[in-house]
Amino acid sequence: SQTIHQWPATLVQPVGSPLSLECTVEGTSNPNLYWYRQAAGRGLQLLFYSVGIGQISSEVPQNLSASRPQDRQFILSSKKLLLSDSGFYLCAWSLGPVMNTEAFFGQGTRLTVV
Amino acid sequence: QKEVEQDPGPLSVPEGAIVSLNCTYSNSAFQYFMWYRQYSRKGPELLMYTYSSGNKEDGRFTAQVDKSSKYISLFIRDSQPSDSATYLCAMHSGGYQKVTFGTGTKLQVIP
Repeated sequence: SQTIHQWPATLVQPVGSPLSLECTVEGTSNPNLYWYRQAAGRGLQLLFYSVGIGQISSEVPQNLSASRPQDRQFILSSKKLLLSDSGFYLCAWSLGPVMNTEAFFGQGTRLTVV
Repeated sequence: QKEVEQDPGPLSVPEGAIVSLNCTYSNSAFQYFMWYRQYSRKGPELLMYTYSSGNKEDGRFTAQVDKSSKYISLFIRDSQPSDSATYLCAMHSGGYQKVTFGTGTKLQVIP
């Protein structure tokens, strides 16, 4: 069966520090991978998605970047965190083709920038 | 106007009640509709997944899609305290694999 791992679960970082959140998927090949941010009252905001190694699409211009160095690994990064980067970050995967595109989520990382 | 609108609640109901959760949407291209349940401090988990209009039942849960009205619902029968969570609707058009989520409705089932 497929599983998704996301870590760490919680993170407190000072303003201006770098960030690296990692997500890996097991039990499937060539998944579509997503990074979402969830803020109270705003629902899930898609930040990045990837349909393959090295292929990253950004949905919202901001202080973050994403990379996919391996088929089942997705990394969310920042060089310098801002206070506004605080939130609950979720990694998710889905499989093509079109008829099977429900997304499965990791457990999330709660990031607090202080 | 948001693509997907969902009442944030909170919605409090007594145990055993029938719960109705709803979303409206504006994009007529949406064809795939999902409901996710999210417990506090956890990632969302997929509850129901439906294609186009109609009803789909799974145990105590029934998902209903009315594409003509751009309105989807999730019904929970015989609600339990363990159903207390935030429920998010989600949808997409299929051609582009981006899922649009509602903001979620917080449900509390009182024992």
